[in-house]
Amino acid sequence: GDSVTQMEGPVTLSEEAFLTINCTYTATGYPSLFWYVQYPGEGLQLLLKATKADDKGSNKGFEATYRKETTSFHLEKGSVQVSDSAVYFCALSGSTNAGKSTFGDGTTLTVKP
Amino acid sequence: DVKVTQSSRYLVKRTGEKVFLECVQDMDHENMFWYRQDPGLGLRLIYFSYDVKMKEKGDIPEGYSVSREKKERFSLILESASTNQTSMYLCASSLAQTYNEQFFGPGTRLTVL
Repeated sequence: GDSVTQMEGPVTLSEEAFLTINCTYTATGYPSLFWYVQYPGEGLQLLLKATKADDKGSNKGFEATYRKETTSFHLEKGSVQVSDSAVYFCALSGSTNAGKSTFGDGTTLTVKP
Repeated sequence: DVKVTQSSRYLVKRTGEKVFLECVQDMDHENMFWYRQDPGLGLRLIYFSYDVKMKEKGDIPEGYSVSREKKERFSLILESASTNQTSMYLCASSLAQTYNEQFFGPGTRLTVL
């Protein structure tokens, strides 16, 4: 079945540092790929998405590129802020999911001033 | 602004009580989901509904049931609450077509004493 593997956390960075959170997936066909963010005490919200190979999703300074050849969708940000502290989830939704999504385990990011 | 709302943010119940968690979405979405989130275990799907009165078991349905009498409302029922059901419960919705993102509610933190 489909699966998503995320870089284990927690990740602690200083403000203005570069962020990478790795995500690789296993799926049949060409799924859509997502990054969700969960701020403390809240539900998940969509951060960005990509629907086909080589697409780049971007939002709030975050970017991720759909790499079919390496089955990856790594999340990057050039300069993190304290307000980016949250849990980040990589996910996919594809033809075998019947409308459901497969989520990674989440990566906790803490940004220190 | 589209929304998924959950009836309570925090709930405290006693062992053996029947517990109802309500979720309402205003986006006319066909799919609705209930997840539980526990530290170190990520998101686990409890039940999924793809239409009114239709439901499908997720990964951990034991001890839970669901009801979907109207398209916009999806209820999670704990028939006899137990302490191991203490958790964060997240509701989500999405369009029927595959490859779509999910929209999450703010979550209900349930404590069973």
